[in-house]
Amino acid sequence: NAGVTQTPKFQVLKTGQSMTLQCAQDMNHNSMYWYRQDPGMGLRLIYYSASEGTTDKGEVPNGYNVSRLNKREFSLRLESAAPSQTSVYFCASSGWQNQETQYFGPGTRLLVL
Amino acid sequence: QKEVEQDPGPLSVPEGAIVSLNCTYSNSAFQYFMWYRQYSRKGPELLMYTYSSGNKEDGRFTAQVDKSSKYISLFIRDSQPSDSATYLCAMSGTSGSRLTFGEGTQLTVNP
Repeated sequence: NAGVTQTPKFQVLKTGQSMTLQCAQDMNHNSMYWYRQDPGMGLRLIYYSASEGTTDKGEVPNGYNVSRLNKREFSLRLESAAPSQTSVYFCASSGWQNQETQYFGPGTRLLVL
Repeated sequence: QKEVEQDPGPLSVPEGAIVSLNCTYSNSAFQYFMWYRQYSRKGPELLMYTYSSGNKEDGRFTAQVDKSSKYISLFIRDSQPSDSATYLCAMSGTSGSRLTFGEGTQLTVNP
């Protein structure tokens, strides 16, 4: 039982490049989330998916797109990376009845030059 | 002004000390209060969960919520070096609504 997994663990991009961050959970959770964590800002919600087939914007969605591929997988895409997107990205999931208890992945460290 | 304020520290204490970590908030609609622990280079993990006001105890950890003051606390008794981590408070309004996180407080417990 792996919980929430994320790939890659670390990535360096040049400004303007694109990439997709992958996330998968094996806990049969309905809800999945993408956060970014920056010094002095804490965890900020980028996008979330309350259930398979639905996605909604969070606090900082600009420059990102998401896909809820199926119940297990939720990907985050940067179409044209900018230095301001340098951050640590966390994926999380939660059950429908208890969305306050979120289970986080190990994170992806992204550096945009 | 942020909805949730948390002193980022760093906080350094000797082993065995009682640690007090705090958050204040401005949104009176918050009813669910959580503390997450995050070890270095890891994802956060849920430590304590409290609904509305009152205290909740789990081993060496006690969470307190004072809704009248919009203030929550996490106490760690007999702190251990393994408690060294960043502690993030989080809150939400109705069940199922999004979480709002504090910035996190970095704690080091020295042997």
